[in-house]
Amino acid sequence: QVQLQQSGPGLVKPSQTLSLTCAISGDSVSSNRAAWNWIRQSPSRGLEWLGRTLYSSEWFNEYAVSVKSRITISSDTSKNQFSLQLNSVTPEDTAVYYCARGYYDGSAVDYWGQGTLVTVSS
Amino acid sequence: QSVLTQPPSASGTPGQTVTLSCSGGGSNIGRRPVNWYQHLPGTAPKLLIHSTNQRPSGVPDRFSGSKSGTSASLAISGLQSDDESIYYCAARDDSLSGLVFGGGTKLTVL
Repeated sequence: QVQLQQSGPGLVKPSQTLSLTCAISGDSVSSNRAAWNWIRQSPSRGLEWLGRTLYSSEWFNEYAVSVKSRITISSDTSKNQFSLQLNSVTPEDTAVYYCARGYYDGSAVDYWGQGTLVTVSS
Repeated sequence: QSVLTQPPSASGTPGQTVTLSCSGGGSNIGRRPVNWYQHLPGTAPKLLIHSTNQRPSGVPDRFSGSKSGTSASLAISGLQSDDESIYYCAARDDSLSGLVFGGGTKLTVL
């Protein structure tokens, strides 16, 4: 059974960096059959896919156009986890952030983390 | 604003069949499989349908998915009060190189 456990602060100041980590159990971050995604949900924007990382001989990332200039998704194979960094946050980045395992072809996500409410406020 | 378009609300009575719609384009639904998620506030979304019409293990056969051209549908038969939730459609978009979601349909069981 795949389980994803998120960690990270729930409050970030405007212009600072949002950082979240997702620890994986029951699968491997370097699996060649899965990709590791970050998705957020807010009342104004609904569900919004932010990006993913996957391993295929080397690491490969895809990012949503809306955040491409501000986002980095990275992995730590020694800890079997992956992380999200979102720079220069504004109150519009306030949302519940989810990590999720996805299909390798990018067509869906199946297992989700518990979600982390991140509020951007001074 | 969302790439995929869903009606914001739908309703039905217990036992009824309701069908939720999702409209997209040639770069997503038109060429890619569709997924449906059930989302209760305060919980993680749950995958209901993947690959357009496949149910993950544990999802009742009351839920079924289909698509035609650039539109997709989720049918829920034998509607139950527990089905009251927000339903999102999603598909990979080849032009945007990422997963795109609909805005969600809030289903009310009257």
